Amino acid sequence: AQSVTQLGSHVSVSEGALVLLRCNYSSSVPPYLFWYVQYPNQGLQLLLKYTTGATLVKGINGFEAEFKKSETSFHLTKPSAHMSDAAEYFCAVIRAGSSASKIIFGSGTRLSIRP
Amino acid sequence: KAGVTQTPRYLIKTRGQQVTLSCSPISGHRSVSWYQQTPGQGLQFLFEYFSETQRNKGNFPGRFSGRQFSNSRSEMNVSTLELGDSALYLCASSPGPEGTGNTIYFGEGSWLTVV
Repeated sequence: AQSVTQLGSHVSVSEGALVLLRCNYSSSVPPYLFWYVQYPNQGLQLLLKYTTGATLVKGINGFEAEFKKSETSFHLTKPSAHMSDAAEYFCAVIRAGSSASKIIFGSGTRLSIRP
Repeated sequence: KAGVTQTPRYLIKTRGQQVTLSCSPISGHRSVSWYQQTPGQGLQFLFEYFSETQRNKGNFPGRFSGRQFSNSRSEMNVSTLELGDSALYLCASSPGPEGTGNTIYFGEGSWLTVV
């Protein structure tokens, strides 16, 4: 079975500082991993995904994540935070080849940006 | 191309009433999934449809039901509404039920408030 743990329900950084949102997963088979962002009163928007191949994945809005199998991690980073990055971020895992019903979401991390 | 469209965006219902939410997937996508999002429970899977057939169902009571039409549009219905049904209901679409890294795309959601 798959599971996802997002460390820190709330992260606060200063504008221009590094953003690091942590995600650890558990999967007995090769996983596909996703990061979604949810702005207030909106649905979930895909930031980036890892399926196979290059372990460093670049997404939209300057975000990237690195798949580290040895650490079972898929942390999300952005070199310089912007006020518009304030939102809730969800890490998700799905077993390769599984249907959408099997996607497992983390509990979310709310990112706040200090001016 | 157009994204996942959900209607209505906001609605208020009284306890005991029923509600129907609608979802139009991305053109060409045949798989539609529904999720309930609440502050306490996070994102929970409701059901998944493909080619008018329910393929998977989450752990929700029978008051929650859904269907998919031949054009892949989907509806979900909640009967005998309870206060605890107040939530954001998210619809998501993907190309097909079996993943090969298929990304799940979400709509903006329907905010349901039960009073």
